[in-house]
Amino acid sequence: GAVVSQHPSWVICKSGTSVKIECRSLDFQATTMFWYRQFPKQSLMLMATSNEGSKATYEQGVEKDKFLINHASLTLSTLTVTSAHPEDSSFYICSARGSVAGGDILWYQETQYFGPGTRLLVL
Amino acid sequence: AQKVTQAQTEISVVEKEDVTLDCVYETRDTTYYLFWYKQPPSGELVFLIRRNSFDEQNEISGRYSWNFQKSTSSFNFTITASQVVDSAVYFCALTGAGTASKLTFGTGTRLQVTL
Repeated sequence: GAVVSQHPSWVICKSGTSVKIECRSLDFQATTMFWYRQFPKQSLMLMATSNEGSKATYEQGVEKDKFLINHASLTLSTLTVTSAHPEDSSFYICSARGSVAGGDILWYQETQYFGPGTRLLVL
Repeated sequence: AQKVTQAQTEISVVEKEDVTLDCVYETRDTTYYLFWYKQPPSGELVFLIRRNSFDEQNEISGRYSWNFQKSTSSFNFTITASQVVDSAVYFCALTGAGTASKLTFGTGTRLQVTL
């Protein structure tokens, strides 16, 4: 259980192109999804948090108009890198966190499950 | 503010050796959760374990074991009889309680297991 897929796994594009990355939770409902960026030999840097049906919350220094996030359903979030430039080349990885219904209460689960990541190379 | 420190940047061991990866954390929360993730060369982060702040019981899963000590704010990870397939970057992470909580990652420890 708790499988998260990400598509595509590799993208090579020309400067100025917009790139869309999909993140799907395959066997659970992801109330919250997170988008991270990772540079070589570094830790993960949180870019934004998205909750289903609401606007994403971006971390300080992350351009919301540059990195568009949509979380339209409980199993899908998308990250669009608009007008990509070489400095946007990186490894982008999403994670999903679910919730469990208990009567009238929705209990969120603390564990984030990660997708396999997308390597973006902008030429 | 929360902080996770993994002081060991890289560790190199020979197969079958035991190895311990250190993790020290800082938080003001009384309820928090600690994690270990494995990132092999393919890049995917693989969830290994979650520990609640109110449960200090150590855990063993096959060759993996975790030692959680609140008194020293540490959550160390030991691999017994390491194998080449254990080669990866291992991240320790921390989150508080609440839907707005975020994961704070350590800088990771790169483990290289050679024959």
